[in-house]
Amino acid sequence: EAGVAQSPRYKIIEKRQSVAFWCNPISGHATLYWYQQILGQGPKLLIQFQNNGVVDDSQLPKDRFSAERLKGVDSTLKIQPAKLEDSAVYLCASSLEPGSGEQYFGPGTRLTVT
Amino acid sequence: DAKTTQPNSMESNEEEPVHLPCNHSTISGTDYIHWYRQLPSQGPEYVIHGLTSNVNNRMASLAIAEDRKSSTLILHRATLRDAAVYYCILKRTGAGSYQLTFGKGTKLSVIP
Repeated sequence: EAGVAQSPRYKIIEKRQSVAFWCNPISGHATLYWYQQILGQGPKLLIQFQNNGVVDDSQLPKDRFSAERLKGVDSTLKIQPAKLEDSAVYLCASSLEPGSGEQYFGPGTRLTVT
Repeated sequence: DAKTTQPNSMESNEEEPVHLPCNHSTISGTDYIHWYRQLPSQGPEYVIHGLTSNVNNRMASLAIAEDRKSSTLILHRATLRDAAVYYCILKRTGAGSYQLTFGKGTKLSVIP
């Protein structure tokens, strides 16, 4: 079974530029999550999708971050414009259903904002 | 949300058992106890979860105190590959969010 795929693995941009991350969840998984992990901290949930609808985006900085999952499969997370404090690893995860015990994480995208 | 308390770091010798503690004194009756681990430069990986009874799987065992205010993740025989950050997380089921709220976890070092 293929795992959660993310690209790119690494990205370096200057502040005020824009960037996009892509995630392909495990086939058949209805729920998709985006997390932000700052160095030395645990992951923090940014947004949760159930199929193509948003379930929870309470911690997403909506003035600069946006995410979509148009066909209920792949998802993109965008930052525009980026700030220095956005430097982090962005993790995508998926699960069969929102209440299922196990979330499967991708390898993450390491973003450096200079 | 109920919070968990874990030691910042622990060390273990290779091939010896490891007991990773977690305190969750404000746990509610609908909170499941989940453990994830994160190897260096990888995303978190599910380890085990339970509600009241002790649980075993191929990776580890989870021992839950009778009052559920604490739990212990047991790795029966540590290997170098088990060196990771281990997160103890309470996940509420039923109405409400199903999100995982990660703390800083316990960094486990395995000594050859």
